[in-house]
Amino acid sequence: QLQLQESGPGLVKPSETLSLTCTVSGGSISASGYYWGWIRQPPGKGLEWIGNIYYSGSTYYNPSLRSRVTISLDTSKNQLSLKLSSVTAADTAVYYCARRRANSSGLDYWGQGTLVTVSS
Amino acid sequence: QSALTQPASVSGSPGQSITISCTGTSSDVGGYNYVSWYQQHPGKAPKLMIYDVSNRPSGVSNRFSGSKSDNTASLTISGLQAEDEGDYYCISYTSSSTWVFGGGTKLTVL
Repeated sequence: QLQLQESGPGLVKPSETLSLTCTVSGGSISASGYYWGWIRQPPGKGLEWIGNIYYSGSTYYNPSLRSRVTISLDTSKNQLSLKLSSVTAADTAVYYCARRRANSSGLDYWGQGTLVTVSS
Repeated sequence: QSALTQPASVSGSPGQSITISCTGTSSDVGGYNYVSWYQQHPGKAPKLMIYDVSNRPSGVSNRFSGSKSDNTASLTISGLQAEDEGDYYCISYTSSSTWVFGGGTKLTVL
């Protein structure tokens, strides 16, 4: 059974870089035909797609975040990472990692989510 | 990219059917059969309920069904049960090779 687990600092200062890791177990992150992505949800609000990365390394980002976001894969650790620079209070949210099969719209496996608060 | 439009809330009594709409444009919902739906309960991660407009993952009740007409996708839940209460989100692929969520719909089972 595939499992995803987000980890990282729960508190980040304004203007700094938010860094999160998603550890995948029960399957390989480099298996062909899958996208791995990040989604966030501000407290009490809806879901926002941040971006995703194909197993081959191709990346796709939300245009509103593109200038500040980097998503990458570490195949040696079977991990997905997210870096979001120059954060503000508006970046406070629960961050989820998730998997999607290529040629499908379904995000079929999700992590439990991790809350990141941006505050001084 | 603008969020897809969903009603803020819908409600229904146990046993009834409800439909949640998800309206976009020809550049997203209308242009591709890549729409999926998620159920979210408080404090939990979203759960995939429908993918590729109308396909149901294994383990999801056949009371959940999806469809699409022009630029609007729809999720229908028949035989409403108390456990169906929660938030529902749609997401669609876009012509920019990105994805966009709907604003979410709160379902209340009366």
